[in-house]
Amino acid sequence: TQLLEQSPQFLSIQEGENLTVYCNSSSVFSSLQWYRQEPGEGPVLLVTVVTGGEVKKLKRLTFQFGDARKDSSLHITAAQPGDTGLYLCAGVWDTGNQFYFGTGTSLTVIP
Amino acid sequence: DVKVTQSSRYLVKRTGEKVFLECVQDMDHENMFWYRQDPGLGLRLIYFSYDVKMKEKGDIPEGYSVSREKKERFSLILESASTNQTSMYLCASSPLQGYNQPQHFGDGTRLSIL
Repeated sequence: TQLLEQSPQFLSIQEGENLTVYCNSSSVFSSLQWYRQEPGEGPVLLVTVVTGGEVKKLKRLTFQFGDARKDSSLHITAAQPGDTGLYLCAGVWDTGNQFYFGTGTSLTVIP
Repeated sequence: DVKVTQSSRYLVKRTGEKVFLECVQDMDHENMFWYRQDPGLGLRLIYFSYDVKMKEKGDIPEGYSVSREKKERFSLILESASTNQTSMYLCASSPLQGYNQPQHFGDGTRLSIL
């Protein structure tokens, strides 16, 4: 059973375009993290969100945690080839202490 | 910077062999994790450990065991490798047991079982 669904699974866009990827669950999470994984490397943490409705910005990346803490989104403005990679969300349930990772969104930004 | 080092980037083994994957972290982290990563399935937790000699099963522990004799080292063992264990294996560590602590990953071991 997949607890965290990410969409889209694949995304290929031109440099300069904007995009949004989504992370959804039927469960409430106490916190949620976003990671980026480049080919041949392990995932690297981008951000952690903990409060419902929270918005965090990291340069051209904007992360939002849903009000009900069941979903999150990552918006990239003016995508660049360096943004290419696999984006993973990971959450900890309100009732647990184990991280669950989403299925991932593979982003390709074409120069 | 935290460094998590996995002993091999690529490994090829035969069905039935006993396989050891080693992971070492240099930041004195309490928690260590083993995941496998397969296309379309994301990362799935095999085992984790929150202290020396302590281990907890993750979502897919069948066919695997782990060992943590020292704080910095966490080993994943495939007792009798099978072809369905061909995958990318990722080790991670994190401090304490807080929900917001980031996990620091190694670069992975791509394991092929023939």
